[in-house]
Amino acid sequence: AQKITQTQPGMFVQEKEAVTLDCTYDTSDQSYGLFWYKQPSSGEMIFLIYQGSYDEQNATEGRYSLNFQKARKSANLVISASQLGDSAMYFCAMRRPIGGYNKLIFGAGTRLAVHP
Amino acid sequence: DTGVSQDPRHKITKRGQNVTFRCDPISEHNRLYWYRQTLGQGPEFLTYFQNEAQLEKSRLLSDRFSAERPKGSFSTLEIQRTEQGDSAMYLCASSSIDSNSGNTIYFGEGSWLTVV
Repeated sequence: AQKITQTQPGMFVQEKEAVTLDCTYDTSDQSYGLFWYKQPSSGEMIFLIYQGSYDEQNATEGRYSLNFQKARKSANLVISASQLGDSAMYFCAMRRPIGGYNKLIFGAGTRLAVHP
Repeated sequence: DTGVSQDPRHKITKRGQNVTFRCDPISEHNRLYWYRQTLGQGPEFLTYFQNEAQLEKSRLLSDRFSAERPKGSFSTLEIQRTEQGDSAMYLCASSSIDSNSGNTIYFGEGSWLTVV
């Protein structure tokens, strides 16, 4: 069965420093997609970054990059130059290819606190 | 605002009452999803629509739950005879079938349900 594991319930980082949020996944599929979402206290899930299983390069979006290690089945999110507004819950998610639609399986999340 | 909108944002209801949530997806998106999120957990998939057709329902969607998307635009999620275990945030999301943008799924701010 597909599963996403986020082993860090909470993380602290100093403003302007980089932080890595861990995500490991389990799947027997060859084709899949990996997502990271940010959820502030308002509740909205904000899309951050996507990595396809066949993408050869790690995905980057502004201050966000995804450290994709396929053999280790890990997809860690790296946030560079942390800002106070980055404080939120962060969820890693996986999409199975079946049907081609975004039926996402989420991890339990990591709460990130950015300190000034 | 051209994002996914949900209404109401908060609902408190007595056990046994019926509730209905509405979701307006991004206008050009033909795929619509409902997820449920309980405290301390990541969202869990409930159901998926492509246009007006409901193509998948999770086992989490008991007989008391019904979702519709009558004209392939907005969607409603109704819970009949609510139970305390239904207390959660109900998230709606949408995406495009376009292969170039279909990897991004956009979520609304969610509808918080409290059953007392």
